[in-house]
Amino acid sequence: AQKVTQAQTEISVVEKEDVTLDCVYETRDTTYYLFWYKQPPSGELVFLIRRNSFDEQNEISGRYSWNFQKSTSSFNFTITASQVVDSAVYFCALSEANTGNQFYFGTGTSLTVIP
Amino acid sequence: DVKVTQSSRYLVKRTGEKVFLECVQDMDHENMFWYRQDPGLGLRLIYFSYDVKMKEKGDIPEGYSVSREKKERFSLILESASTNQTSMYLCASTPRGTIRNNEQFFGPGTRLTVL
Repeated sequence: AQKVTQAQTEISVVEKEDVTLDCVYETRDTTYYLFWYKQPPSGELVFLIRRNSFDEQNEISGRYSWNFQKSTSSFNFTITASQVVDSAVYFCALSEANTGNQFYFGTGTSLTVIP
Repeated sequence: DVKVTQSSRYLVKRTGEKVFLECVQDMDHENMFWYRQDPGLGLRLIYFSYDVKMKEKGDIPEGYSVSREKKERFSLILESASTNQTSMYLCASTPRGTIRNNEQFFGPGTRLTVL
């Protein structure tokens, strides 16, 4: 079973629109970590955020915000006022405290921001 | 800034060839990883290493081996390349400490085509 599900394969928005990228995870551990990465066309994954399972506070960083809800096992990512430079593939990832050193990545969501 | 470099951005090899993919990081990180990225499958861990000469299998080690003779360098080896190993290969590293809660720093990737 997929531990991290990113149901949206591709999303297109017009510049300045808001967009939310969904991430649903599955784990039995009580201690775990969630991550978001951005992969621009250059190919290099760039770390965006880490959240541990004990910290459900939502976070905002500029135009980016993250909504962590343990009740629905979701860690969604919203980009406000999207820009062309936001066009990339975004990956959500999970690591668990009790199952070694694996990172489980979702299949990614390809975001295209149309000028 | 952490720099993770990979020896080639694009590589074309023939079936049966022995292929070496090199990864070098310049921040003295103990932990290094090799992933392959395929459409619809996200990133899958092939091998990782938490110290020189140490290695552990990831999810899909079959057909691959690795070498970590120096701390800064982690090599992925395809002993006899096959067409189903055509993929994007990503190297990553993390600093000392628990792998599971550290963000991973990625290289730009090597797109390997096996004919």
